[in-house]
Amino acid sequence: QVQLQESGPGLVKPSETLSLTCTVSGASITRDYWSWIRQSPGRGLEWIGQIFYSGVTNYNPSLKSRVTMSADASKNQFSLKLTSLTAADTAVYYCARDCYDTSGRPYFDYWGRGTLVNV
Amino acid sequence: EIVLTQSPGTLSLSPGERATLSCRASQRVSSNFLAWYHQKPGQAPRLLIYGTSSRATGIPERFSGSGSGTDFTLTISGLEPEDFAVYYCHHYDSSPMFTFGPGTKLE
Repeated sequence: QVQLQESGPGLVKPSETLSLTCTVSGASITRDYWSWIRQSPGRGLEWIGQIFYSGVTNYNPSLKSRVTMSADASKNQFSLKLTSLTAADTAVYYCARDCYDTSGRPYFDYWGRGTLVNV
Repeated sequence: EIVLTQSPGTLSLSPGERATLSCRASQRVSSNFLAWYHQKPGQAPRLLIYGTSSRATGIPERFSGSGSGTDFTLTISGLEPEDFAVYYCHHYDSSPMFTFGPGTKLE
């Protein structure tokens, strides 16, 4: 059974940097892309970006200037850094697995439980 | 950027009834790249349908998806108590960029 678990601080001060880690069990991060998605009452579900274990990343253009993702295959983890935080970044942050079936159709099939971050 | 609009905002039905949820894209999209999720309070979204009409593993047959172009539909035939949740449509483009709709609350 694939499981994802987010970890990181629940409270961060404005202008500081948020660092979150997603630990994956039951699957290797060397397969598939892995995403961060956040959810807030004002912005709904918002895709932040994705990473492949080799370091290939793709970010939401609206957040690109503030986002960095990395992956550590030895720990089967991937991470998110979001800089220059404001109150608008307050949200539940989820990590999720990106799947693409044999026809190239994408979906997020496994999600972490989410972690609430207050700025 | 493609914008997804969902209607209605809230849908009030009873168990056993049929639910029809709509998702409209701001421009034509590939049917391969439209998915549906539902979310219950305190939980992460759960994948229901991908590629417009393919059910995800473990999803009951009462869930079906259809559509093309800019208009897509999720139908739930014979609502069960556990189906009452918020439903989101989701689009992928090859930038890549993933976009979610604002959701329909099924109550």
